Amino acid sequence: DAKTTQPPSMDCAEGRAANLPCNHSTISGNEYVYWYRQIHSQGPQYIIHGLKNNETNEMASLIITEDRKSSTLILPHATLRDTAVYYCIVGSLNNAGNMLTFGGGTRLMVKP
Amino acid sequence: DTAVSQTPKYLVTQMGNDKSIKCEQNLGHDTMYWYKQDSKKFLKIMFSYNNKELIINETVPNRFSPKSPDKAHLNLHINSLELGDSAVYFCASSRGRLAGGYQETQYFGPGTRLLVL
Repeated sequence: DAKTTQPPSMDCAEGRAANLPCNHSTISGNEYVYWYRQIHSQGPQYIIHGLKNNETNEMASLIITEDRKSSTLILPHATLRDTAVYYCIVGSLNNAGNMLTFGGGTRLMVKP
Repeated sequence: DTAVSQTPKYLVTQMGNDKSIKCEQNLGHDTMYWYKQDSKKFLKIMFSYNNKELIINETVPNRFSPKSPDKAHLNLHINSLELGDSAVYFCASSRGRLAGGYQETQYFGPGTRLLVL
């Protein structure tokens, strides 16, 4: 079972920042937070991951609270092509076989 | 070139048949996976496999079996297909399990849409 909670859907205006929240209150000390997204009819795509510190790459920023019980994925300037389902996942090397457990995700709709 | 490819893209078949879905990755990765995405869009891991071990999600029926002719390929065989097997099946790969202290990024294929009639 997924160990994260995300809102089922969100809207964002094109060009604005999209802030996608995720709760993972039962996260353990060695578990990372991963974000993937799935654009309609495509396979999931890795976005970013982090442990404690905030992370940024060319796609997004990941803000993790100090207690690590929640995080926010930020798409700084959302475009129509960012419309997708965004999955927040927690996991560690202790997970058998490096398996990702996907929850329901957040369906982000970027509108013109 | 597509990093992770799957064939066929669509598969329509009758209940009771046996079918295979092929997956190939050209990333030089050591670990490959199969996921199932059902009609409610939930993605569930089925298998994790590298050249040393196969790890099976215990909820997967034994009618499903992965077969790896080499490190770059992980095919999914399904025996005695049932209506409930209709779903989109995704193959994925990653460099390995132990690099950097975290789970390696997984790269997914485009999916195979299976419809059992």
